[in-house]
Amino acid sequence: TQLLEQSPQFLSIQEGENLTVYCNSSSVFSSLQWYRQEPGEGPVLLVTVVTGGEVKKLKRLTFQFGDARKDSSLHITAAQPGDTGLYLCAGATSGTYKYIFGTGTRLKVLA
Amino acid sequence: DSGVTQTPKHLITATGQRVTLRCSPRSGDLSVYWYQQSLDQGLQFLIQYYNGEERAKGNILERFSAQQFPDLHSELNLSSLELGDSALYFCASSVVDLAYGYTFGSGTRLTVV
Repeated sequence: TQLLEQSPQFLSIQEGENLTVYCNSSSVFSSLQWYRQEPGEGPVLLVTVVTGGEVKKLKRLTFQFGDARKDSSLHITAAQPGDTGLYLCAGATSGTYKYIFGTGTRLKVLA
Repeated sequence: DSGVTQTPKHLITATGQRVTLRCSPRSGDLSVYWYQQSLDQGLQFLIQYYNGEERAKGNILERFSAQQFPDLHSELNLSSLELGDSALYFCASSVVDLAYGYTFGSGTRLTVV
């Protein structure tokens, strides 16, 4: 079974702090996406990374795809309460095209 | 508004009953996916349709079935409901059959009592 393991599982930080969320697998992914889900709502797509080593920035969020396309990270600078939510990585593994979601990281930013 | 419409938003029903969840995909999207999300579990893939045809099946119970109609809207039918079926059910859509990110609806919260 292909898995996307995310760490940490839970994170509670103060407003203004920086944080990094990791998404790891033993499988190679053709692309990888990051979503944010707020309570009672569906996940919202934040970014897609395709090339190994790729870095994408979305305001205070920086996404990186590992060189071997087996892992990814999401870094948030100066977190704000509005960043609170469940962060999910997801991707399709090369060859199988099976799309799987990560285990999730629940982030709470305290004002 | 993501463009993916799910109805109803909330549903409360008794054990043993049957319900139908409805999803209208984003305009132009041919693929529809159904996911189940419970409190202690992540997003569990149920089933995918592409342009009216079943394309992939995940951990979907035999009591559950789905279809996609010619106008591309989809319905998920859940029967002989059990307490453990209580969950959020999400529909997502995408333009193509391959995963480059999905657009999710806001979900249907099903409570079985």
